[in-house]
Amino acid sequence: KNEVEQSPQNLTAQEGEFITINCSYSVGISALHWLQQHPGGGIVSLFMLSSGKKKHGRLIATINIQEKHSSLHITASHPRDSAVYICASGAGGTSYGKLTFGQGTILTVHP
Amino acid sequence: GAGVSQTPSNKVTEKGKYVELRCDPISGHTALYWYRQSLGQGPEFLIYFQGTGAADDSGLPNDRFFAVRPEGSVSTLKIQRTERGDSAVYLCASSLQGAAYNEQFFGPGTRLTVL
Repeated sequence: KNEVEQSPQNLTAQEGEFITINCSYSVGISALHWLQQHPGGGIVSLFMLSSGKKKHGRLIATINIQEKHSSLHITASHPRDSAVYICASGAGGTSYGKLTFGQGTILTVHP
Repeated sequence: GAGVSQTPSNKVTEKGKYVELRCDPISGHTALYWYRQSLGQGPEFLIYFQGTGAADDSGLPNDRFFAVRPEGSVSTLKIQRTERGDSAVYLCASSLQGAAYNEQFFGPGTRLTVL
């Protein structure tokens, strides 16, 4: 059974700080998703990656397949980045894209 | 184009009642997923549809839960004899195809409260 663990569970930062959220998973996967969820809002996909690194604006996601580990980085954090960040693994084979989610990291960025 | 929509946005019901939750996926998306998210937790998989058929219903907690997608578009999640433990946000997502590398687009969720 695939398990996905995130750390930290809660993260508080000052505006402008560099943020790192970590995600570990227990079995081989086809893709790792990073998602963002605002309070009372829906879930938005940030990244989907199967190897290497992706960058979008101030967000960077990396994955190490051998170590079964991924990180989400936010550079120059801003209060509007405050949200819950969730990683989710998508296994291959017959799993049909079924995602296994971490418990989420609650990020609060203070001005 | 419209994203994934879910209705109702909130549903309050009494223990033992029957509820139906609706999901309208993005047009043309063949894959549809239902997830359940309890307070402070990440979502958990319930069921996956590829077209009209339920290809994987291994996440449904028991036989009180059932879902259909009769025409390969709109899906309805049905819960019989609701229990307080069913209270959660029920999320629907769709993707172009059912594969781990396809982006899933999530609806806003239905918050179900069982009193």
